Amino acid sequence: EPEVTQTPSHQVTQMGQEVILRCVPISNHLYFYWYRQILGQKVEFLVSFYNNEISEKSEIFDDQFSVERPDGSNFTLKIRSTKLEDSAMYFCASSVSGQETQYFGPGTRLLVL
Amino acid sequence: QQQVKQSPQSLIVQKGGISIINCAYENTAFDYFPWYQQFPGKGPALLIAIRPDVSEKKEGRFTISFNKSAKQFSLHIMDSQPGDSATYFCAARGAGGTSYGKLTFGQGTILTVHP
Repeated sequence: EPEVTQTPSHQVTQMGQEVILRCVPISNHLYFYWYRQILGQKVEFLVSFYNNEISEKSEIFDDQFSVERPDGSNFTLKIRSTKLEDSAMYFCASSVSGQETQYFGPGTRLLVL
Repeated sequence: QQQVKQSPQSLIVQKGGISIINCAYENTAFDYFPWYQQFPGKGPALLIAIRPDVSEKKEGRFTISFNKSAKQFSLHIMDSQPGDSATYFCAARGAGGTSYGKLTFGQGTILTVHP
């Protein structure tokens, strides 16, 4: 069964460093998402991406964040200058359309020291 | 108005019992209400979902009850099993044209089913 994959599974970085989280969505999906989950809290929407542009973003997704689909398979989330409060589990998700089921990847646990 | 409120935070049930988790929303533009199951270290996985044109949807031991007028929906797990022990999230999504698929999640319920 097709699945969303994410790399790395864990990332430890120093405050102020740039990180890139990578995702490979399900191959025939056209909508891509990033969510984050701070430990013990709910899953929060960050951004949705369709047709090579951001279609919606949350207040969390400020200028320090960017997304890109550099080729036909990868979808990346870049945090330009990490803060302590960026420590969280980051989930990538994809769907066939904006109105269809979203499938989540296993997540990348980011720890900012 | 974008919030989805979920209760209880945690739930302990004996094997064979019924687990009930409740959610409430305010945004009437929501038109799709999924429940996700999450095991430790894994991403959320879709369990069951409902649209507001029906009041109930059943899939195996899992049932969603939906009350449009009260803006509430709930997940019922019949004959709960230890393997059901996980965190359950309700979520809501706006209709096409107002949403590009953004899911708004509830706070989550940690379900523990004792053998």
